[in-house]
Amino acid sequence: GENVEQHPSTLSVQEGDSAVIKCTYSDSASNYFPWYKQELGKGPQLIIDIRSNVGEKKDQRIAVTLNKTAKHFSLHITETQPEDSAVYFCAASRTGNQFYFGTGTSLTVIP
Amino acid sequence: IAGITQAPTSQILAAGRRMTLRCTQDMRHNAMYWYRQDLGLGLRLIHYSNTAGTTGKGEVPDGYSVSRANTDDFPLTLASAVPSQTSVYFCASRVSGSTDTQYFGPGTRLTVL
Repeated sequence: GENVEQHPSTLSVQEGDSAVIKCTYSDSASNYFPWYKQELGKGPQLIIDIRSNVGEKKDQRIAVTLNKTAKHFSLHITETQPEDSAVYFCAASRTGNQFYFGTGTSLTVIP
Repeated sequence: IAGITQAPTSQILAAGRRMTLRCTQDMRHNAMYWYRQDLGLGLRLIHYSNTAGTTGKGEVPDGYSVSRANTDDFPLTLASAVPSQTSVYFCASRVSGSTDTQYFGPGTRLTVL
């Protein structure tokens, strides 16, 4: 099956700086890569996603890049704010039946 | 519109007891999922259902069973709970037939003693 690895496990940045979280996947047939934000005591919530026919996608301060050849994708958050502090998960899927998640990155934005 | 609701919010259970976690969605999504979330392991799929009347096994199905009698409800049953099933359980749903994302419920924190 698919194996998704996520790094780093923890990340601290100063407010206003950028944060980058990276994920690799093993199944070259995976074609959908969502990113989720999970706040304490809540369920994961989608923040951005990318499909395999696109190399980059941006939504305001958040962007995701995908390198299919290297089988890795990254989340970029610019101009970080304290409310960006949360746990972020990447995931990969090829059938829509099974989503494989990374182990999460705990992001802390220091005011 | 409530989205996805889960019950109970939390539960402490004695080992060997039977427990059913409830999940209901009002978005008329075809597909539903159950995950467990453990520290350092992320989210792992237990069971899924692509449509009412069908179910499938995920990564970690042992010790769990599910049913999908209708579109809205997808209960997860632990027939005889063990301490290793202590976890936070999330139900999710999505529109089947596409790779559109899953929507997650608020979770159930289960402790098995």
